Amino acid sequence: QKEVEQNSGPLSVPEGAIASLNCTYSDRGSQSFFWYRQYSGKSPELIMSIYSNGDKEDGRFTAQLNKASQYVSLLIRDSQPSDSATYLCAVNGGDSGAGSYQLTFGKGTKLSVIP
Amino acid sequence: NAGVTQTPKFQVLKTGQSMTLQCAQDMNHNSMYWYRQDPGMGLRLIYYSASEGTTDKGEVPNGYNVSRLNKREFSLRLESAAPSQTSVYFCASSDLHTGNEKLFFGSGTQLSVL
Repeated sequence: QKEVEQNSGPLSVPEGAIASLNCTYSDRGSQSFFWYRQYSGKSPELIMSIYSNGDKEDGRFTAQLNKASQYVSLLIRDSQPSDSATYLCAVNGGDSGAGSYQLTFGKGTKLSVIP
Repeated sequence: NAGVTQTPKFQVLKTGQSMTLQCAQDMNHNSMYWYRQDPGMGLRLIYYSASEGTTDKGEVPNGYNVSRLNKREFSLRLESAAPSQTSVYFCASSDLHTGNEKLFFGSGTQLSVL
């Protein structure tokens, strides 16, 4: 059973601080890694994807990947109250054709940014 | 463009009843998916269709059937609903054949089985 583990939170940070969200995964063959944001009562939306070791930055968001440690993280700089949501880590099923379609999602970390 | 459209948004069923959840996308995507989301369980893949004419089981297919009617439409059928199928159901699509793995989600269907 492929697993993706996240701390469920809630994670509370003050406005303007850095929020750090973490995720570990069990399948060493995984190739693609994603962070989705889900506001309460809404559908998930993709905010970051990362495919190789290291950091990837997009605006206030930085995704970090360490395949040796099977670890993915998301940093949100200058956190805003509008960032308050549940963040879902997702990992693809490996490099096989069928595996590419089978994302495994973590249970999500609820982030609360306090004004 | 509407993106991914799901109907209905809410549904209440009695145990043993059947129903079909409809999903359509207007982005010309090849791949479509059905997920369920339960509190504390995250999103779990029920079935997916890599391309028109194909369907495959995901992590939790038992109690469900799917039909890829055409490139735009992918329906999910509950033949005999059970309380364990109470959940929020999300349809999604992607254009994986072009190397883009981004999932586009519909707005969800809240299903309660009594």
